[in-house]
Amino acid sequence: NAGVMQNPRHLVRRRGQEARLRCSPMKGHSHVYWYRQLPEEGLKFMVYLQKENIIDESGMPKERFSAEFPKEGPSILRIQQVVRGDSAAYFCASSPIGGELVGNTEAFFGQGTRLTVV
Amino acid sequence: GQQVMQIPQYQHVQEGEDFTTYCNSSTTLSNIQWYKQRPGGHPVFLIQLVKSGEVKKQKRLTFQFGEAKKNSSLHITATQTTDVGTYFCAGLLYSGGGADGLTFGKGTHLIIQP
Repeated sequence: NAGVMQNPRHLVRRRGQEARLRCSPMKGHSHVYWYRQLPEEGLKFMVYLQKENIIDESGMPKERFSAEFPKEGPSILRIQQVVRGDSAAYFCASSPIGGELVGNTEAFFGQGTRLTVV
Repeated sequence: GQQVMQIPQYQHVQEGEDFTTYCNSSTTLSNIQWYKQRPGGHPVFLIQLVKSGEVKKQKRLTFQFGEAKKNSSLHITATQTTDVGTYFCAGLLYSGGGADGLTFGKGTHLIIQP
């Protein structure tokens, strides 16, 4: 049973380009969470999705950032017109249950995508 | 706003010494989780505490959840080089009408000198 798969592992983008980060949850998991980690910082919640639904995007910047989790395929975190401040590690986590129950079960993290904006 | 705070941010110890990191929440938590992240790696779940005053042990690691369920600690006895990494606590905080994802502390970086 493969774990949470994220790709690419490393992504370099020039300012103004678009970044697309992919996350395939563990088999059987329908709840996906995206977190951002700045160097020497903790993980900051960005968005919580279920298949075809955004449940909570309160941690997402209002502009340039979007996320989706289509019926088929991986979850995508999209950053348009990247700026240097977007450089960070982006982690995806999946869970078999979500909502208020997410704190009651282990979250499985992918290995992250390290985005560098030059 | 609601947040989870961890201290210290960095801890240098000699191999064989003990290590403790503390986690405090501004609000009562339903439970708390601890994760370890190795340098360049991803967070890996260690344990979850649910009950007030709960204590759990994993070999040299001891986890405690405060009576008021607002603080927690992780203690490592006789550290080894394999313990190097960042230790995060995480709790489920509620905002508006529902729960967001886990709220992580900023972590304690454990550095071990041989």
